[in-house]
Amino acid sequence: GAVVSQHPSWVICKSGTSVKIECRSLDFQATTMFWYRQFPKQSLMLMATSNEGSKATYEQGVEKDKFLINHASLTLSTLTVTSAHPEDSSFYICSARDPRRGSYEQYFGPGTRLTVT
Amino acid sequence: SQQGEEDPQALSIQEGENATMNCSYKTSINNLQWYRQNSGRGLVHLILIRSNEREKHSGRLRVTLDTSKKSSSLLITASRAADTASYFCATDGQGAQKLVFGQGTRLTINP
Repeated sequence: GAVVSQHPSWVICKSGTSVKIECRSLDFQATTMFWYRQFPKQSLMLMATSNEGSKATYEQGVEKDKFLINHASLTLSTLTVTSAHPEDSSFYICSARDPRRGSYEQYFGPGTRLTVT
Repeated sequence: SQQGEEDPQALSIQEGENATMNCSYKTSINNLQWYRQNSGRGLVHLILIRSNEREKHSGRLRVTLDTSKKSSSLLITASRAADTASYFCATDGQGAQKLVFGQGTRLTINP
């Protein structure tokens, strides 16, 4: 149980275009999901907290107009990188907590590697 | 901002040896968690220790927590090649859902 998937697993896009990444909780409903980015050999940096049915909460320094988050259902959150630039190339990972378990651990998706050319 | 600092940043040992990784944090916590990340993959939850616990075991893993020093350690006993990965500690502030990750330790187990 508590499986989180991401799609796509990797994507290459041209500078200036937009790309959408999906995060799904497969066997549980997640009212809250989290989006992280990770640069090579570095730690995870929280970008935003995605709340079902309401606006996402962005971390300081993260441009909300550039990284659009939509959490339209209890099992799906999407991150859209708009007008992508090469510096947006990174590994994007989502996670969710399973409210049934009553614990603090988060379940992570396998990540999406974005390369902007 | 990153809350946790991990030590060492990289560790290379022989298979069968024990590996110890340390994590320090800055603010009060509800709990501290350890995660493993294989290269280019997502994170896998290993173990959670609550702020009122001092030690916890799970298989070959042993975690300690010293809230007075704001530090934790992860011990992997009898290491295996499959333990090669990056290990991260993560904390959540009291009442907060989000996790703040440490810098991570890259562990290499040599056969």
